[in-house]
Amino acid sequence: GENVEQHPSTLSVQEGDSAVIKCTYSDSASNYFPWYKQELGKRPQLIIDIRSNVGEKKDQRIAVTLNKTAKHFSLHITETQPEDSAVYFCAAPKDGGATNKLIFGTGTLLAVQP
Amino acid sequence: DTGVSQDPRHKITKRGQNVTFRCDPISEHNRLYWYRQTLGQGPEFLTYFQNEAQLEKSRLLSDRFSAERPKGSFSTLEIQRTEQGDSAMYLCASSLQGQETQYFGPGTRLLVL
Repeated sequence: GENVEQHPSTLSVQEGDSAVIKCTYSDSASNYFPWYKQELGKRPQLIIDIRSNVGEKKDQRIAVTLNKTAKHFSLHITETQPEDSAVYFCAAPKDGGATNKLIFGTGTLLAVQP
Repeated sequence: DTGVSQDPRHKITKRGQNVTFRCDPISEHNRLYWYRQTLGQGPEFLTYFQNEAQLEKSRLLSDRFSAERPKGSFSTLEIQRTEQGDSAMYLCASSLQGQETQYFGPGTRLLVL
């Protein structure tokens, strides 16, 4: 089965700086890697995802990179803003993605200081 | 609101009582998932349905837990003889078969006293 590790557990940056969160996974058959943002007391919301047939995907200030050989993927947020403050979770499919059951990392609390 | 909805949003109960939660997925989504999230952790997979069929249950789901999706639309999660360790946020998500994206509901926060 899949195992997902996420680092760091907390990250504090100044507004305008970049933030990078890294995850590793164990199942080489995994083919889909979403990132969720969860604000305090709210539901996890998908912010970006990547499939194993590409190495990078960007959406405005957010990007995700995937290194299949090393089995790790990273979330990059540029020009951070206070509203980016939240807990971010990476995930990978259990059993290589056959049924889309997700295994989540332990989360990164991002604090953007104004 | 056409997103995933859950009811109730909060539940406080005494140890030993039974509780039932409801999840209404996005209407055309045929896959429905239940997760549990404790403070400081990511969601943990509990079980999932494809239409009305429950296809997998996690080992986290003890015999006191049961989930149903009788008509392939809404789902219920029941916890019998609740324990303090059951206190958590119970999240429901749905997706369309063939598409990976899971959309989460707001969750039901359970506190067992």
